[in-house]
Amino acid sequence: KQEVTQIPAALSVPEGENLVLNCSFTDSAIYNLQWFRQDPGKGLTSLLLIQSSQREQTSGRLNASLDKSSGRSTLYIAASQPGDSATYLCALTDSWGKFQFGAGTQVVVTP
Amino acid sequence: KAGVTQTPRYLIKTRGQQVTLSCSPISGHRSVSWYQQTPGQGLQFLFEYFSETQRNKGNFPGRFSGRQFSNSRSEMNVSTLELGDSALYLCASSLEIAYGYTFGSGTRLTVV
Repeated sequence: KQEVTQIPAALSVPEGENLVLNCSFTDSAIYNLQWFRQDPGKGLTSLLLIQSSQREQTSGRLNASLDKSSGRSTLYIAASQPGDSATYLCALTDSWGKFQFGAGTQVVVTP
Repeated sequence: KAGVTQTPRYLIKTRGQQVTLSCSPISGHRSVSWYQQTPGQGLQFLFEYFSETQRNKGNFPGRFSGRQFSNSRSEMNVSTLELGDSALYLCASSLEIAYGYTFGSGTRLTVV
């Protein structure tokens, strides 16, 4: 059974520092992995989608890597800003087509 | 292009009542999934519809049901509401698995 874990559950960094968010999964047979951002009380905003055949995806200050052999994905946010404060969730589509979420990492960027 | 639209944004209902939530997917997307989000349980999968057929189902009681219409719009119904049904209900649509999911802004349901 696939399990998706995000550690730590919460993270606080000063503005300007790089953010490193981790997502681990137990079964490497996945279709893809997607990173989302959620602001309090709001829906999920898709940040990056990595296909199983890809090693990384980049968009602006965001970079996500995928290592299926070790069951890990990492989201890097360069030069963090207070506006990056949010909860970040990873989710993957497993080999059965089931979409599973991690519990999320709550990020606070302090000015 | 228009995103995933969920209506209404907010709802207040009384215990025992029933409620219907609506989700309009991105044009061309035939897959619609529903999730319940609460502070204690996080995001929990309710069900997924594809071309008017329920393709996957989560572990929720029969009070939770859904359907999808020929235009891919989906509705979720909760009967005999309980206080514990208070949550943010999120809908997501997808063109196909390889393209990932796009979420709506959610419907905040409060049961009093």
